[in-house]
Amino acid sequence: QQQVKQSPQSLIVQKGGISIINCAYENTAFDYFPWYQQFPGKGPALLIAIRPDVSEKKEGRFTISFNKSAKQFSLHIMDSQPGDSATYFCAARRNFGNEKLTFGTGTRLTIIP
Amino acid sequence: NAGVTQTPKFQVLKTGQSMTLQCAQDMNHEYMSWYRQDPGMGLRLIHYSVGAGITDQGEVPNGYNVSRSTTEDFPLRLLSAAPSQTSVYFCASRPTGQLNEKLFFGSGTQLSVL
Repeated sequence: QQQVKQSPQSLIVQKGGISIINCAYENTAFDYFPWYQQFPGKGPALLIAIRPDVSEKKEGRFTISFNKSAKQFSLHIMDSQPGDSATYFCAARRNFGNEKLTFGTGTRLTIIP
Repeated sequence: NAGVTQTPKFQVLKTGQSMTLQCAQDMNHEYMSWYRQDPGMGLRLIHYSVGAGITDQGEVPNGYNVSRSTTEDFPLRLLSAAPSQTSVYFCASRPTGQLNEKLFFGSGTQLSVL
């Protein structure tokens, strides 16, 4: 049972364009939604995260948009650069005190010149 | 500052063999966890621990054992390796507490079971 569904599986974007990765969740008890970035041969690293009390969070070129009623959240990468080429995972955690972080299946992003 | 250290980086096993994947962190984090990463499956939680002496099962615990005798170390044991356990394994840690959400991952162990 996949509690966090991520799409697309792979994405190719031209340099300078906007990359958009989407996630949907089922459990309304989820209250923390991070995005992790993973480069080949490395472990994932936290990129940006949001809680459901806000609809958007921006850090530099990276923005999370959150739609609580639709149970969806997305990552937007503005002015995409070749260095952004990586695999991105969305995730969700259910309530403070529950330590389990559930990940999406990942999106391989490739930025082409 | 080493962070989360995993050893070995690569391992090849034969079906039925046992082995231990090592994980150590030097950040005094209470929470530690093991994930496996498979193509198209994302990261799936195997086992986790919220402190020394406390462990619990994640999403895919079968075939794996863990123990937590110290804050620093959280080894993952494969009791009798199977080809289905071929995967990349990641150890991760973080402090507990509502404001400490960031997981710190190791660089992974690539395991092949023949």
